[in-house]
Amino acid sequence: NAGVTQTPKFRVLKTGQSMTLLCAQDMNHEYMYWYRQDPGMGLRLIHYSVGEGTTAKGEVPDGYNVSRLKKQNFLLGLESAAPSQTSVYFCASSYNIGPMEGRGYEQYFGPGTRLTVT
Amino acid sequence: GQSLEQPSEVTAVEGAIVQINCTYQTSGFYGLSWYQQHDGGAPTFLSYNALDGLEETGRFSSFLSRSDSYGYLLLQELQMKDSASYFCASGAGSYQLTFGKGTKLSVIP
Repeated sequence: NAGVTQTPKFRVLKTGQSMTLLCAQDMNHEYMYWYRQDPGMGLRLIHYSVGEGTTAKGEVPDGYNVSRLKKQNFLLGLESAAPSQTSVYFCASSYNIGPMEGRGYEQYFGPGTRLTVT
Repeated sequence: GQSLEQPSEVTAVEGAIVQINCTYQTSGFYGLSWYQQHDGGAPTFLSYNALDGLEETGRFSSFLSRSDSYGYLLLQELQMKDSASYFCASGAGSYQLTFGKGTKLSVIP
């Protein structure tokens, strides 16, 4: 099993350009997430999905859109990139196990995408 | 909302024991998770406490006290490969995790 994969690994954009980050998982997980990680800020949730065809906003959703057309894929889009979106983006997935059942909040992370917006 | 506080840096000697603390303030709380992240790598799950007490997994243990809104990660028999950042994280339902800003652990010979 590949686990969680992300495409691309690196990307440089100019301000105003658009792009889509692709996340794929082969563990049949119901839940998928997009995070951004900035130095000294930890991981912040952008958007998440609790199942195919559903998405919801996280802590920092502005400037991003997502889609979950297939259970195994979760796409993150930047419509008009800004320098403030320079970050490392991580995708994660998890089972829908209840929080009181051991490892209830175990998320599996992809390798990340390093995005620079100039 | 949720916020988690943890020290930014900790240094410990190889073979020793180190404790990384995490205090949290939440409007809803289901448990405390711990993740490890090596430089340039992805976070990986270490442990989860839903109930008060100690959970042990090999050299790593994690503790939770709900009454004190406090938890810690204990690493024993430190090895050089344990040098990494460690994040506590809590969820308030729907599996949305809020992460602390991370503790960078440096293990020295």
